[in-house]
Amino acid sequence: NAGVTQTPKFQVLKTGQSMTLQCAQDMNHEYMSWYRQDPGMGLRLIHYSVGAGITDQGEVPNGYNVSRSTTEDFPLRLLSAAPSQTSVYFCASSPGVEIAGGKETQYFGPGTRLLVL
Amino acid sequence: TQLLEQSPQFLSIQEGENLTVYCNSSSVFSSLQWYRQEPGEGPVLLVTVVTGGEVKKLKRLTFQFGDARKDSSLHITAAQPGDTGLYLCAGGYNNNDMRFGAGTRLTVKP
Repeated sequence: NAGVTQTPKFQVLKTGQSMTLQCAQDMNHEYMSWYRQDPGMGLRLIHYSVGAGITDQGEVPNGYNVSRSTTEDFPLRLLSAAPSQTSVYFCASSPGVEIAGGKETQYFGPGTRLLVL
Repeated sequence: TQLLEQSPQFLSIQEGENLTVYCNSSSVFSSLQWYRQEPGEGPVLLVTVVTGGEVKKLKRLTFQFGDARKDSSLHITAAQPGDTGLYLCAGGYNNNDMRFGAGTRLTVKP
């Protein structure tokens, strides 16, 4: 298994451009999520999905869209990039959906480093 | 403000020393997890604690969940250079949401 894969590894955008960060997992996991990591802020949840066709907002959803058409893929779309979206983005997946109860382990991808000029 | 406050933010010690890092909150969590993250990689889960007062040991690492499930600590005995990394705590906020602290960056010098 490749686990959780993310592409691209690095991206530079200009303000106002749009792009999609790709995330895929080959473990047949139900739960997938997107986080951003900023210095001094830890990881913050952007959006998550508990299964194909179901998505919900996390702590910081503004400026981002997601969809979950298949179990394997969970792309994150930046509609109109802003400098405040400069960050490292992590995708994660988990076998079950009750992650906060401690019954499930989240597996993280290697991250996408995004710079918005 | 962070829901979970981690301290210290940075810690640099010599090989063989002991250390404790802390994760504190005013909120109650259903579970608490500790992760280690190395540069250029995603976090990797070390342990999950779910019961107030629970203590778990992982070789030289000891994790404790506070009785009130609001705080946790990670103690490392005889630290080694391989322990260097960013240690993150994360609390179970509701069924589908984990809230992370900002992390403690540990450097262990040979």
